[in-house]
Amino acid sequence: GEDVEQSLFLSVREGDSSVINCTYTDSSSTYLYWYKQEPGAGLQLLTYIFSNMDMKQDQRLTVLLNKKDKHLSLRIADTQTGDSAIYFCAESNQAGTALIFGKGTTLSVSS
Amino acid sequence: GAVVSQHPSWVICKSGTSVKIECRSLDFQATTMFWYRQFPKQSLMLMATSNEGSKATYEQGVEKDKFLINHASLTLSTLTVTSAHPEDSSFYICSAGDRARGYGYTFGSGTRLTVV
Repeated sequence: GEDVEQSLFLSVREGDSSVINCTYTDSSSTYLYWYKQEPGAGLQLLTYIFSNMDMKQDQRLTVLLNKKDKHLSLRIADTQTGDSAIYFCAESNQAGTALIFGKGTTLSVSS
Repeated sequence: GAVVSQHPSWVICKSGTSVKIECRSLDFQATTMFWYRQFPKQSLMLMATSNEGSKATYEQGVEKDKFLINHASLTLSTLTVTSAHPEDSSFYICSAGDRARGYGYTFGSGTRLTVV
């Protein structure tokens, strides 16, 4: 079945860039998402990318998609302590279907 | 933007009782609602998918008689954990989508259920 893999932890210093990586197995993935979860809270959609795109930039966030390698990354520029959270990569292959989530990457930002 | 209100945020109940969790879409019509369960430091596990006016579709291994889902209107879906037991203690999150939009789903803030 479909699978989404992420590294579990990332630690960076404030002001540095963070890059969170994700790989997925479903070649028919159409929509790819990045969500942020702070402790005890729900998930906040950060950004998404369609499979026909290679890159998307939104303020400090840059998403890169390598469809050939089924690799997705999220770059956070000028990482702040408020960015400390768990980041989930998710994919779906059809509009309106449930998302398949990775296990989440815990980002720790030290000052 | 789209907002999903989930209540309660946390609940403690006695073993054997039932608990109802509500999710409301505040400014859009939630044609589809997904219910997830999340264990500590783990990913979200899809429990069921419900479309407004239809019976929910449950994932394999999820007891539909134990986790009752109602999605009677385009703005409200409920999950009732019946005869709760300590192993049902978890973080439950709903996610609402408008099928017409097709991208990005709005998540509720989650409900921490503790069964004692």
